[in-house]
Amino acid sequence: GDSVTQMEGPVTLSEEAFLTINCTYTATGYPSLFWYVQYPGEGLQLLLKATKADDKGSNKGFEATYRKETTSFHLEKGSVQVSDSAVYFCALGGGSQGNLIFGKGTKLSVKP
Amino acid sequence: DTGVSQDPRHKITKRGQNVTFRCDPISEHNRLYWYRQTLGQGPEFLTYFQNEAQLEKSRLLSDRFSAERPKGSFSTLEIQRTEQGDSAMYLCASSLAAGTTYEQYFGPGTRLTVT
Repeated sequence: GDSVTQMEGPVTLSEEAFLTINCTYTATGYPSLFWYVQYPGEGLQLLLKATKADDKGSNKGFEATYRKETTSFHLEKGSVQVSDSAVYFCALGGGSQGNLIFGKGTKLSVKP
Repeated sequence: DTGVSQDPRHKITKRGQNVTFRCDPISEHNRLYWYRQTLGQGPEFLTYFQNEAQLEKSRLLSDRFSAERPKGSFSTLEIQRTEQGDSAMYLCASSLAAGTTYEQYFGPGTRLTVT
């Protein structure tokens, strides 16, 4: 079945460092891909999305490109801030129920 | 802008008791989803509604779980005879059925602790 694999955390970076969180997927068809962010004690917030191959989603300095040939959707940010500390989830959509299938999440801690 | 709301935010119950959670989706959204999230894991799909019709249930949804969405507005998730393994965050999400982007908006969740 469809699945998402994310790099394991936690990831600890200094402020202004470059961030990459790897995400690969297995799916039949052409799913939409998403990154969600979860701050402590809160629900998930949609960070960015891409709906077809070669699309680039971007928001708040974060970017991810839908790569069909490598079945990947890696999250990047050029300069992280302390306020980016959270858990990041990669997800794919397009199952028969329209539900999202999530990776296990990657916890990011940014130190000042 | 009114997002997805859930009530209560936290629930502590004793094993064997019944609990009910409520979700109010974004008003124009006709799809509503329930997910369960355990510590250190991503959310897992439980069930979903399109309007008032419950169209799919995951195998995770045992017969102790029941969900309703009367009149296609808010939804309730009930767990009967709770077990310690039911302790988790229960997340509700809503979306528009139109289109294929499956963009879902999540509520803050209800954290259930079964003692």
